[in-house]
Amino acid sequence: EVQLVESGGGLVQPGGSLRLSCAASGFTVSTNYMSWVRQAPGKGLEWVSVINSDSTTYYTDSVKGRFTISRDNSKNTLYLQMNSLRAEDTAVYYCARAPYSYGPYYFDHWGQGTLVTVSS
Amino acid sequence: EIVLTQSPGTLSLSPGERASLSCRASQSVSSSYLAWYQQKPGQAPRLLIYGASSRATGIPDRFSGSGSGTDFTLTISRLEPEDFAVYYCQQYGSSPLTFGGGTKVEIK
Repeated sequence: EVQLVESGGGLVQPGGSLRLSCAASGFTVSTNYMSWVRQAPGKGLEWVSVINSDSTTYYTDSVKGRFTISRDNSKNTLYLQMNSLRAEDTAVYYCARAPYSYGPYYFDHWGQGTLVTVSS
Repeated sequence: EIVLTQSPGTLSLSPGERASLSCRASQSVSSSYLAWYQQKPGQAPRLLIYGASSRATGIPDRFSGSGSGTDFTLTISRLEPEDFAVYYCQQYGSSPLTFGGGTKVEIK
């Protein structure tokens, strides 16, 4: 059974940093596209970043240069390093798996989410 | 970036009724790379439909997707109590991936 469990969220001041983790089981993170998707309070879904099977990464424009997606194959875990955080980064962050390691992708499994609050 | 507009914002219906949710794209979605998700309060999204019309594993056949190009529809043939939720469309044919703003299906 595929499972994704996020951790690492919390309250951080503007300009601060946080690292989110997503522990995967039931599959290998290195063989699928893996993404972070966020949802601001009361708002819709926003794709944030993706890492593919050859470790190529992509980001939405608003987080480029501030966020870094990575994975540790030995721990079967996905990460999101978030620096220079802003109030508008406040959201629930979901880890999501694409069913493929190539081509256009959607998300067939999601974690339960971890809340990041950026406030002084 | 492809902008997805979902309508209506809220749909008020009774159990047993038919629901039709619209997702309109600002430009053509290539190869019908469109997915639908259901989200209940406090829960993660759940994949319902991919490729515009293919049901995901375990999704009841009362859920169906249709459409191509710029106009897509999610239909729930007979609403069950557990279907009252927010529904999002997502296009994955162009970068960046984008989601619609959602349609809330509420009990009338």
